[in-house]
Amino acid sequence: AQSVAQPEDQVNVAEGNPLTVKCTYSVSGNPYLFWYVQYPNRGLQFLLKYITGDNLVKGSYGFEAEFNKSQTSFHLKKPSALVSDSALYFCAVSPTGNTPLVFGKGTRLSVIA
Amino acid sequence: GAGVSQSPSNKVTEKGKDVELRCDPISGHTALYWYRQRLGQGLEFLIYFQGNSAPDKSGLPSDRFSAERTGESVSTLTIQRTQQEDSAVYLCASSFSPRGVQPQHFGDGTRLSIL
Repeated sequence: AQSVAQPEDQVNVAEGNPLTVKCTYSVSGNPYLFWYVQYPNRGLQFLLKYITGDNLVKGSYGFEAEFNKSQTSFHLKKPSALVSDSALYFCAVSPTGNTPLVFGKGTRLSVIA
Repeated sequence: GAGVSQSPSNKVTEKGKDVELRCDPISGHTALYWYRQRLGQGLEFLIYFQGNSAPDKSGLPSDRFSAERTGESVSTLTIQRTQQEDSAVYLCASSFSPRGVQPQHFGDGTRLSIL
């Protein structure tokens, strides 16, 4: 069975500092990994995905994620955080790519001015 | 044109009543998904439609839950005899997936409150 762990419920970072939101996964076979962001009272917005190839994936709004197969991790990163990045972030995995996603419980990011 | 549209945005109903939630996917998207998001939790998969294939109902929590989709268009999720534990945000997503791995596009959800 597939699973995703986001070990931090909350991450606080000062504006302008780099941010990391952690994600580890468990899946049989090759993983298809995704990051989504959710703003209050809104649905999820797609940020980026990893399918294959380069371990560093670049996405929307300056976010990137690093795939590490040996550590089964897919951490979300941004070099310089903005207050507007404050939101709920979800990591997700799909066993085949175009099937229902298995989500982590989410990490709330607060960027403080 | 928009994105995925869900209605109603909010629904408050009494325990025991039936509710119907609607999802209009992005035009041309062959795949449609329903998820449930309980307060402070991640998303739970409910049901998945892909083209004309039989739906994957493996995530439906009980036989009180059912969903239909007409072709590759609108879907409705029905919850019969609602219970308080059904209170959650119900999110619909669609994707275009005849080839390659495509991201799912989400609607803003229906916030369901059972009194």
